[in-house]
Amino acid sequence: DAGVTQSPTHLIKTRGQQVTLRCSPISGHKSVSWYQQVLGQGPQFIFQYYEKEERGRGNFPDRFSARQFPNYSSELNVNALLLGDSALYLCASSLAGGPNEQFFGPGTRLTVL
Amino acid sequence: SQQGEEDPQALSIQEGENATMNCSYKTSINNLQWYRQNSGRGLVHLILIRSNEREKHSGRLRVTLDTSKKSSSLLITASRAADTASYFCATHIIMDTGRRALTFGSGTRLQVQP
Repeated sequence: DAGVTQSPTHLIKTRGQQVTLRCSPISGHKSVSWYQQVLGQGPQFIFQYYEKEERGRGNFPDRFSARQFPNYSSELNVNALLLGDSALYLCASSLAGGPNEQFFGPGTRLTVL
Repeated sequence: SQQGEEDPQALSIQEGENATMNCSYKTSINNLQWYRQNSGRGLVHLILIRSNEREKHSGRLRVTLDTSKKSSSLLITASRAADTASYFCATHIIMDTGRRALTFGSGTRLQVQP
């Protein structure tokens, strides 16, 4: 079975631009979470979606938004990019929205110039 | 703020030696999880230990949990060069919204010298 997939793998943007990152969960998983990982630090929680509803939001500005589609795939959008948004963006899926193990995708490396 | 913090931040050992990493957390938990991350890639789930468990084994991995001290340790026995990676502990916290969020520490970077 395919694992969690993310696209694109790498992305270069300039300040002020907007970016959309995509994630497909493992088949049968209904929960998708997004994390931001700055170099040298652990992942920071951004959003969790379960059954197409937002179930949690981390301490990120409103420039960050996300949604989950009927097939449980998800998109993360970031508007008005700042240099500090440069990071590895990780998507993780799980069967349900509870405190269970999560399966991570390979990530999207975003560089903001 | 981060719930879990790993110690040490970096660890370098020889192949065949054991590696021990520690994690401390702040609030009560349902479970504690350990993940591994190879350089710049996605995280891989290693082991989950529930709050009512004190020790758990999986292959060369041994995890302990002390809820009274709010701490956990991950032991990798007979280390191999392929174990070189960053290791993170993770716990779920309850946010202001009442929802759960998985929070990670800053990790221990393990280097196993062949």
